[in-house]
Amino acid sequence: KQEVTQIPAALSVPEGENLVLNCSFTDSAIYNLQWFRQDPGKGLTSLLLIQSSQREQTSGRLNASLDKSSGRSTLYIAASQPGDSATYLCAVKESGANNLFFGTGTRLTVIP
Amino acid sequence: KAGVTQTPRYLIKTRGQQVTLSCSPISGHRSVSWYQQTPGQGLQFLFEYFSETQRNKGNFPGRFSGRQFSNSRSEMNVSTLELGDSALYLCASSLAGTGTEAFFGQGTRLTVV
Repeated sequence: KQEVTQIPAALSVPEGENLVLNCSFTDSAIYNLQWFRQDPGKGLTSLLLIQSSQREQTSGRLNASLDKSSGRSTLYIAASQPGDSATYLCAVKESGANNLFFGTGTRLTVIP
Repeated sequence: KAGVTQTPRYLIKTRGQQVTLSCSPISGHRSVSWYQQTPGQGLQFLFEYFSETQRNKGNFPGRFSGRQFSNSRSEMNVSTLELGDSALYLCASSLAGTGTEAFFGQGTRLTVV
């Protein structure tokens, strides 16, 4: 069964710092990987989608990379802002199915 | 364009009752999936509907069921509620194929007392 792990579970950084969030998965037969953001008590906001054939995707200050063979993805956030404070979740979709396997998330706090 | 809409946003029910949650996907999206989020178990997949048919199902008891209508709107039903069913229930919609991006609604917060 696919297992997704995110490290660290929580991270606190001063405003302006660049940071990296990590995601690992056990079965490399994935179709794509998606990064989400969740604010307290709210739904999930999609940040980036990386197909299995891609190595990275960028959106604004966010850059996500994927190394399928080693079962790893990273989310890089440049010049962090207090508004980036949220829980970040990664999820993988396996080939042949449309459901997502989620990690437990990294709770990010950006201190002004 | 409008996002994924879930109703109601909050619900309080008593043990033993049943509940129905609703999800309207993004216009044109034909796949609707449901997830349960709890502090202890995180986000877990319940089931997926595509063209009014359940296409995939997670590991939940039969008290959890769902359906999809011809306009792609979906409902999920939980019967004989237990305290452990208290959770945030999230609905996701996607176009059709398995490689497409999933978009989530704001969720329904269910509290069972």
